[in-house]
Amino acid sequence: KAGVTQTPRYLIKTRGQQVTLSCSPISGHRSVSWYQQTPGQGLQFLFEYFSETQRNKGNFPGRFSGRQFSNSRSEMNVSTLELGDSALYLCASSFGEGVDEQYFGPGTRLTVT
Amino acid sequence: AQSVAQPEDQVNVAEGNPLTVKCTYSVSGNPYLFWYVQYPNRGLQFLLKYITGDNLVKGSYGFEAEFNKSQTSFHLKKPSALVSDSALYFCAVRDYSGTYKYIFGTGTRLKVLA
Repeated sequence: KAGVTQTPRYLIKTRGQQVTLSCSPISGHRSVSWYQQTPGQGLQFLFEYFSETQRNKGNFPGRFSGRQFSNSRSEMNVSTLELGDSALYLCASSFGEGVDEQYFGPGTRLTVT
Repeated sequence: AQSVAQPEDQVNVAEGNPLTVKCTYSVSGNPYLFWYVQYPNRGLQFLLKYITGDNLVKGSYGFEAEFNKSQTSFHLKKPSALVSDSALYFCAVRDYSGTYKYIFGTGTRLKVLA
């Protein structure tokens, strides 16, 4: 089975721009979560989707948004980029909600200049 | 509010010695606890989880973890460390009586010395 894939792998953007990141979960997985990883803050939960519905949202400003499509693929969008948004963005999928473990993608490294 | 603490930023251990990576948690209800590992230039990988039942959980690569409800801890252990175990380890908790969010610890870097 193919793992979680994320595109693009690397991205350089300028302050004020917006960006869209994409995640394809493992086939059959219906839950997708997004995380921001930075050296100082560790892994910070952004949001979780299950069957196209947002189930949970972390403590991030409204500039961060996401969605999930009927094929479980997910996108996250960050508008009006700030320097502090530079991070590794990780997507994780799991079969269902609840106690299932998550399978992580390699991440998208976003650099904001 | 639910939280996870990994009190050690780094743990050094000699190859062949037992290792422990510490994790404590705080949740309002029943905790569901997980350990993940991140190898250099690779994504996070699931190691093991505690949902209910036996307090000693066995996982991948010879790792195990002990759930201690009274001490609200879920320490990761391995009887004999390998150099290849050197990586960044994350503890995570999910609380099903509250917001159901996944909360990750800040990570502990394990260095196994040959």
